Amino acid sequence: DTAVSQTPKYLVTQMGNDKSIKCEQNLGHDTMYWYKQDSKKFLKIMFSYNNKELIINETVPNRFSPKSPDKAHLNLHINSLELGDSAVYFCASSQQSNTEAFFGQGTRLTVV
Amino acid sequence: GQQLNQSPQSMFIQEGEDVSMNCTSSSIFNTWLWYKQDPGEGPVLLIALYKAGELTSNGRLTAQFGITRKDSFLNISASIPSDVGIYFCAGQLRGTNAGKSTFGDGTTLTVKP
Repeated sequence: DTAVSQTPKYLVTQMGNDKSIKCEQNLGHDTMYWYKQDSKKFLKIMFSYNNKELIINETVPNRFSPKSPDKAHLNLHINSLELGDSAVYFCASSQQSNTEAFFGQGTRLTVV
Repeated sequence: GQQLNQSPQSMFIQEGEDVSMNCTSSSIFNTWLWYKQDPGEGPVLLIALYKAGELTSNGRLTAQFGITRKDSFLNISASIPSDVGIYFCAGQLRGTNAGKSTFGDGTTLTVKP
């Protein structure tokens, strides 16, 4: 009964491909996020959705498109993958009024 | 934009030793959070601080919200091997959702048995 689950855990793909990462939370939270962790372990927010609506969109290339079919799911689609997209991507969720964010296990994306 | 600097960047200590790490910001925050990330996992919240000057403990962990609102520290007493991991501070401004946190660059802790 994982709280925030991401799939796949590992993803190796060639440059130029399109790929998706799925995220689901069973905590009943209203808000979901995508974070990127680079090779230096720096965590940076990419997107935030509240009740299926986009509320935060940091400076992220248009090749990255989040999709929230319902408030328990936030998927990340990436077009035309580049070498620099290699990183660990974390999904997270929180109650709107709560400060704690619950993170998934991460998806390690390697673009070759 | 806001930046959080954590120090030290890494620590190598002997089991049983106490650990101290801190986080400083160029601007104020209303909430400070400390997370731990185990290898291959996502960050997990350790302690949340909501008021300037607040001192909060969670088992062997103690964290404080600096009076200036621009810093926070985390202490771990009597370290054990499972304390190994990366410790992140994160700051939030009032009104933002939990995940819209600015994260520090992490302190990597290694504990030698």
